[in-house]
Parts: sequence; C-alpha cells; structure tokens
Amino acid sequence: QVQLVQSGAEVKKPGASVKVSCKASGYTFTSYYMHWVRQAPGQGLEWMGIINPSGGSTSYAQKFQGRVTMTRDTSTSTVYMELSSLRSEDTAVYYCARDREMATITAFDIWGQGTMVTVSS
Amino acid sequence: EIVMTQSPATLSVSPGERATLSCRASQSVSSNLAWYQQKPGQAPRLLIYGASTRATGIPARFSGSGSGTEFTLTISSLQSEDFAVYYCQQYNNWPPKLTFGGGTKVEIK
Repeated sequence: QVQLVQSGAEVKKPGASVKVSCKASGYTFTSYYMHWVRQAPGQGLEWMGIINPSGGSTSYAQKFQGRVTMTRDTSTSTVYMELSSLRSEDTAVYYCARDREMATITAFDIWGQGTMVTVSS
Repeated sequence: EIVMTQSPATLSVSPGERATLSCRASQSVSSNLAWYQQKPGQAPRLLIYGASTRATGIPARFSGSGSGTEFTLTISSLQSEDFAVYYCQQYNNWPPKLTFGGGTKVEIK
C-alpha cells in the first residue's frame, strides 16, 4: 500500500541542524510532489515547502528561506528535510505529505507518521 | 502570503447535530481549497479537495462548498468519531506558497 515512513524522534541543541527522512513506498516516487508540514505542540499546521522528486526542484515558505533544505534520493525513494540554526521555537512534529495528483500541486492525501524534533539546551 | 482565517475557533456540538465550519481567504483562491481532520496524536487526514470533492473513503456526511474567498465545511450529523480539529488549506499560488487556517476544534457539547 501507499505509505510514507519517517525517521525517528530527534533531540537537538540550539544552533544545531536536524535532518528528517521520509521513505515512500507503494507508488512511483518521482510522479508526485512531496511537501513538509510542521506542527508545534498544541498549535496548528504550518507548510514549510515542496520538493519535486523527479528533478529535485524546491520551493520554500518565506519563513524558512535560508534555513531549510529539501532533497531527495531517487534510488531509495526518500526525501529529506534539513533545518539549520535550530531554536526552541522549532520544537515541533514534522510531517512529510504527498500531493494527491501527479505532477501538480493540490491537496495532501498521504501523510507520514510524523517526526518529533525537540530543541533544548 | 494568503492568510486563511477559520471560525469559530471552537464549536460545541451534540452528537447527531449539524456542524458548520467556516474558512475565509485574504484573497481569492478560486476552488483550490482543501479540508483536513486531525485527531490527537495522529497525522491530518484529507477530507475535501477542490473545495467540494470528497476524498476517497470519506463519508457523505462531510460536504464542502464555496469558492473565491469564502468556504464552508458541513458535517451533517456528527458522529462520535468526528470530534476533532479541522483545518482548511489553500493551494492556489504559483510559485507554491501554501497556507493553512488556524483550525476549528469540534468538541462534544
């Protein structure tokens, strides 16, 4: 079945970087855009950016420009999200989510299970 | 950035009653609007896309309407499993700059 499996929880110190992975299975990896969304404790959803797994092109939310990098490895059907210069406000659950239609941006029909990232000294 | 505003923040409804949730965009997003349901400890679940099309496996009691800047999610007869937080999301921009609303919590009255 179609699924996204994310890497495990992380604890990082302020100023460090974190890299979260999201492995896709059950569909053609390069046919669907992938997004990253985060959710701080008790807060709403926040879109971080998108990657096209086919060519690797990306677009990031203004808030994360310069701090986030999204990459992909087509040999393992995995996308990555790296966030640098971490601060306490980055403590959140990070989700990868797949677009529901091929080669277009619509709604997200498949979500990873989420990865908790805690930033604490 | 397109700002999505949801109201009310909390909606108290009795099981079996109708729930109406609103979402407003700061500028037109055409019909490029989705609704998600999220329960505690779970990832969001897609309910509606294209403002009014139910996603696969979503019960008919969920319906979406609207276009432009005003959107509504209606749950016709609330079941116990429907008590959750609901988010709207627009995907109208190019280059993509998607945004979510702040959410509406549907709680048991």
